Parts: sequence; structure tokens; C-alpha cells
Amino acid sequence: GEDVEQSLFLSVREGDSSVINCTYTDSSSTYLYWYKQEPGAGLQLLTYIFSNMDMKQDQRLTVLLNKKDKHLSLRIADTQTGDSAIYFCAERGSNYKLTFGKGTLLTVNP
Amino acid sequence: KAGVTQTPRYLIKTRGQQVTLSCSPISGHRSVSWYQQTPGQGLQFLFEYFSETQRNKGNFPGRFSGRQFSNSRSEMNVSTLELGDSALYLCASSLSDGRNQPQHFGDGTRLSIL
Repeated sequence: GEDVEQSLFLSVREGDSSVINCTYTDSSSTYLYWYKQEPGAGLQLLTYIFSNMDMKQDQRLTVLLNKKDKHLSLRIADTQTGDSAIYFCAERGSNYKLTFGKGTLLTVNP
Repeated sequence: KAGVTQTPRYLIKTRGQQVTLSCSPISGHRSVSWYQQTPGQGLQFLFEYFSETQRNKGNFPGRFSGRQFSNSRSEMNVSTLELGDSALYLCASSLSDGRNQPQHFGDGTRLSIL
């Protein structure tokens, strides 16, 4: 079955880089996603990566994928207080539905 | 381009009642999925609709149902409400039901059961 694991908390100082890690189990996953959720809001799609890629960069965001270890990470450069939110990793596997991790609460301290 | 719109934003019901939630997808999107978010269980998939047909279903009891209309708008219904149904219900739309199509979420309907 599918399972996605994330650490629950991450605290960084403003201006530092943040790295949020995720592991998944479905070897048939072809697309992996990162979403951001701010208080009282829905999920905002940040970026996604196809499984035949090992890296994708989009402005301050860098996604790294290690398909062998089923490990995905999201790096946020120059983290700002506005980046404080919950970040969800999700995979879309063989049954097409999105399976989410529990989310990582990122706290950015000034 | 307008995003995914969910109505109402907040709803309070009592046990035993039923409720209908509405979702209007992004213009041109034909696939709509529903998720339940709770502090204990996190985000759980309810069902997915494409071209008015349910394509995929999660592990929820039959009290949870949905439908999609010809204009791609979708509704979900929960009958005989229980306290445990209190949650944020999120709708997501995508161009099609393909795995390479990212899902875009609305702000959700927060349902509270008293």
C-alpha cells in the first residue's frame, strides 16, 4: 500500500535555508507533489516532479528526488516569515489518488 | 482565472442531519476530487469524478457520496452525520484524471457537528 512519511516540525531562522524531507513507499509513483497550507486556507500547489527527474528548481524552491531510496526533499532558500506554514508531500501512485504525508509545520523565527 | 470555489465556507450541523457541499472547479478542468482533513487522520481521499463518472473511491462509509454535473461542478453529500465527520472538506480540480495532472485545491468547507 501507499504510505508517505514526513517529520512533523521544522524551525529555522529568517534568511536560512529550510529542508523538508519526505519518504514514500509506492514504487509505481510517477509524480510527487509539494503543497503549502496556511492557517484557514486550502492547499496551494508549490511544485511537482516527475519520477524520471532527480532535481527541479523553481525560484527559491529546489526539489530533490532519490527514487532508489524513495526520498523526496524540498529546499526553500532564503526562508522568510511568510513561508511559515504546513508543507505536505504527496504522491500519485498506481491508483491515481493523491496520498499525503501528515505535513511538516515550518516555523520561521525573525 | 478564478480558482476552485467551495461553498459554503463554514457549516454547523447536528448529529443525524445530512449536508451537501458544493465545488466549482477551475474553468476548463474536468476532474474533481474530494478530501477530508482532520487533525488525527490528516488528509484522506474521498472520491474522484471525471466526466460525471466516479473514477476512484477512498475508504469511507456509504454515508459519503458525491456527484458531478455536466458543467464539471461537483457536490458531495454526507447523510446521518456523526460527531467524527467534523472536518475540513477540500475539493481539488485538474484538467483531466491523468497522473501527470496536478490538482489545485479550494479553501475548503469547515463542517462542525454538534
